[in-house]
Amino acid sequence: GENVEQHPSTLSVQEGDSAVIKCTYSDSASNYFPWYKQELGKRPQLIIDIRSNVGEKKDQRIAVTLNKTAKHFSLHITETQPEDSAVYFCALLTGTASKLTFGTGTRLQVTL
Amino acid sequence: DAGVIQSPRHEVTEMGQEVTLRCKPISGHNSLFWYRQTMMRGLELLIYFNNNVPIDDSGMPEDRFSAKMPNASFSTLKIQPSEPRDSAVYFCASNPGHYNEQFFGPGTRLTVL
Repeated sequence: GENVEQHPSTLSVQEGDSAVIKCTYSDSASNYFPWYKQELGKRPQLIIDIRSNVGEKKDQRIAVTLNKTAKHFSLHITETQPEDSAVYFCALLTGTASKLTFGTGTRLQVTL
Repeated sequence: DAGVIQSPRHEVTEMGQEVTLRCKPISGHNSLFWYRQTMMRGLELLIYFNNNVPIDDSGMPEDRFSAKMPNASFSTLKIQPSEPRDSAVYFCASNPGHYNEQFFGPGTRLTVL
């Protein structure tokens, strides 16, 4: 099946700094790339997604970039705040299948 | 809409017992997914359904696990017999179709003693 690698596994930043999480994949047929945020004890929730015909998408302090040639996509969080502390998962959809393949997650800690 | 509903929210059982987890997807969503989450293995897809039909059950760990979706508004995940290594949070999710957000339920925290 499809494989997706996510780095780093943990990330600690100071409040106000930027955070970047990167995922790489192998199947060039992958065409949909969502990012989910999971707070402690809660369910994963979609925060942003991007389709393969777009290179970048931004929503306030979060943005996602996609490089289809290099087969990687990244989540960028600017001006981080303590409430951004959570586990972030990248995911991707390949072909016509409905199932998402999730990355292993990045635990982001925003310190004061 | 109440979102994806799962029950029970917590389940503690003894090894060897049967466990049944329940899920009600969001009305109108035609795909339903069962995931298992542990610290060691992360978020794993167990099985998913399209229009009540199981499409891919390759993630089901072994024959002790089974899932059904008798109608568009209800699905069950059964473990029989349960083992301590089945302890995890089990999430159900649904979406209205391809390229759409998957909405997760609150999860069932299962502990098998």
